[in-house]
Amino acid sequence: SAVISQKPSRDICQRGTSLTIQCQVDSQVTMMFWYRQQPGQSLTLIATANQGSEATYESGFVIDKFPISRPNLTFSTLTVSNMSPEDSSIYLCSVEGRGGETQYFGPGTRLLVL
Amino acid sequence: AQKVTQAQTEISVVEKEDVTLDCVYETRDTTYYLFWYKQPPSGELVFLIRRNSFDEQNEISGRYSWNFQKSTSSFNFTITASQVVDSAVYFCALSRAGSYQLTFGKGTKLSVIP
Repeated sequence: SAVISQKPSRDICQRGTSLTIQCQVDSQVTMMFWYRQQPGQSLTLIATANQGSEATYESGFVIDKFPISRPNLTFSTLTVSNMSPEDSSIYLCSVEGRGGETQYFGPGTRLLVL
Repeated sequence: AQKVTQAQTEISVVEKEDVTLDCVYETRDTTYYLFWYKQPPSGELVFLIRRNSFDEQNEISGRYSWNFQKSTSSFNFTITASQVVDSAVYFCALSRAGSYQLTFGKGTKLSVIP
């Protein structure tokens, strides 16, 4: 499986500010995914990021709030914009695994918004 | 629509006991994949197993075993001789063939007491 790292691992932010989360993978992958996990909840897919194209957002998530970049096959960023306490969550990136349909996840970014 | 139900919210067992985590799924697809992931307190999501809908053989990996029964739409996970390091939240997930979209259950928090 791929080795995935995320930065920062955790952060505490003030309401109204923005935070950019980085996801780096040690091999080239076509598809990367961003998930949100609110406290005590399951994972919800935010968007799918393919290199060279616009990210595809799931229902309830919009580009203005969660802009995503995918400049190459090993890197992606997710920005959480104009944050509110409701954005306090773990944000995880994942990548496609070889053999199809399997996803491998990064260590997550724990975000607390005050 | 796809759905995954993990009816057990929290389970506590004493070390060395066996424990089974239940997963029931709903899908109209004939070809699909089922997954189990482990999320320890550190937050990362660890891939455990992927099973496709045509393979109903049970699988054993060390102390872990999985029982897939299409007739009851269940994909249960058993840990034999549980250890404290097994304490984590376990997620069951479902995807359709050809898609990377994962539908997660709400997770089962397992606490193994020494």
